[in-house]
Amino acid sequence: EEQLVESGGGLVQPGGSLRLSCAASGFTFSNYNMNWVRQAPGKGLEWVSYISTSSTTKIYADSAKGRFTISRDNAKNSLHLQMNSLRAEDTAVYYCARRESSGYLGVWGQGTLVIVSS
Amino acid sequence: EIVLTQSPATLSVSPGEGATLSCRASQSMNNYLAWYQQKPGQAPRLLIYDAFNRATGTPARFSGSGSGTDFTLTVSSLEPEDFAVYYCQQRSTWPLTFGQGTRLDFK
Repeated sequence: EEQLVESGGGLVQPGGSLRLSCAASGFTFSNYNMNWVRQAPGKGLEWVSYISTSSTTKIYADSAKGRFTISRDNAKNSLHLQMNSLRAEDTAVYYCARRESSGYLGVWGQGTLVIVSS
Repeated sequence: EIVLTQSPATLSVSPGEGATLSCRASQSMNNYLAWYQQKPGQAPRLLIYDAFNRATGTPARFSGSGSGTDFTLTVSSLEPEDFAVYYCQQRSTWPLTFGQGTRLDFK
């Protein structure tokens, strides 16, 4: 079964840092471009970041630029999101999502909750 | 950035009835539009891509149409499991953007 499992969420103070991880299984992770998408409580979906298969291309939403860093380890089938200078508005469930050949997000993890609060 | 506006925000329908959801883009984007379904406590699920192609496992009662700036998701006869929130998403230009969602509620 193709699966993505996020981890690393939790409660962090404003200005703090957190590193999210996404473990992939059931498919050849290195063949797929990957994304992070977040959803604030009770709100809609917001795309956060994209990384190409070989990590040569990384793209960020304006809300993440300069604070978040996406990375991947194809040898370990893992995707990461390093989040620094966290703000209350970063509070959300963070999903990793696989980009299909169609260009859309076809496989999603179950999400990990990040709460930024003092 | 392409802004996607979905309407209505909430649609109340009865099982067995049809439903039509709209997504309007702030600029033309060919057919680079997808629809996702999200149920409470679950991740989104890809239903339709490139405006009208059903993703694997999407029931035939779901259909997508439109081009340019105006797109529609139609559910021909609602099943109980279809009551959820639906989002449109474009991949025409970066950043990827989503509509704000339409909630399909039981009438």
